[in-house]
Amino acid sequence: NAGVTQTPKFRILKIGQSMTLQCTQDMNHNYMYWYRQDPGMGLKLIYYSVGAGITDKGEVPNGYNVSRSTTEDFPLRLELAAPSQTSVYFCASSTPPPRGGNQPQHFGDGTRLSIL
Amino acid sequence: GENVEQHPSTLSVQEGDSAVIKCTYSDSASNYFPWYKQELGKRPQLIIDIRSNVGEKKDQRIAVTLNKTAKHFSLHITETQPEDSAVYFCAAIDPGGYQKVTFGTGTKLQVIP
Repeated sequence: NAGVTQTPKFRILKIGQSMTLQCTQDMNHNYMYWYRQDPGMGLKLIYYSVGAGITDKGEVPNGYNVSRSTTEDFPLRLELAAPSQTSVYFCASSTPPPRGGNQPQHFGDGTRLSIL
Repeated sequence: GENVEQHPSTLSVQEGDSAVIKCTYSDSASNYFPWYKQELGKRPQLIIDIRSNVGEKKDQRIAVTLNKTAKHFSLHITETQPEDSAVYFCAAIDPGGYQKVTFGTGTKLQVIP
């Protein structure tokens, strides 16, 4: 199992450009998440999905869009890149809780995005 | 919504000493509390977790305690080693809906050889 795979690992964008951050998981997890982590800070939830065809906003969704056409893939799109979106982006996945308890999230290696 | 506070923000200990990181949460419905370790430039990785029906859990040099009444939980690292140096995040998970995770702000632990 590769786990959660994110591409690209690094990217530099110009203001106003658009791009898609890719995330795929091979653990058959229904739940997937996108976070951003600014330097020296914690993780903030951008969007999440509980299954194919279902997405919803997290804490900081403005400037981003997502889609979930398959269980495996959960791409994050930036339409008009702004300097405030310079950050490290982490994708994560988890399985729905079995009876009696929640499950941990598994993270990808992150995409380091700079917007100049 | 849930609010997780984490203290201290930075912690320096001598190698071999113990380190304690404390978190409080606000939503009594939260029932699962994972701890993640993030080394510089790496992904957060789960190191230990505790469910609300348990008061303490140990895994070698790492232990977590949970006080549901006071709504706080702590990470204890004994016999610290230089490789324990990292940022540690606590989290609380709401059992409803999509397993919403609220992370603490992180503690940067430095173990001095």
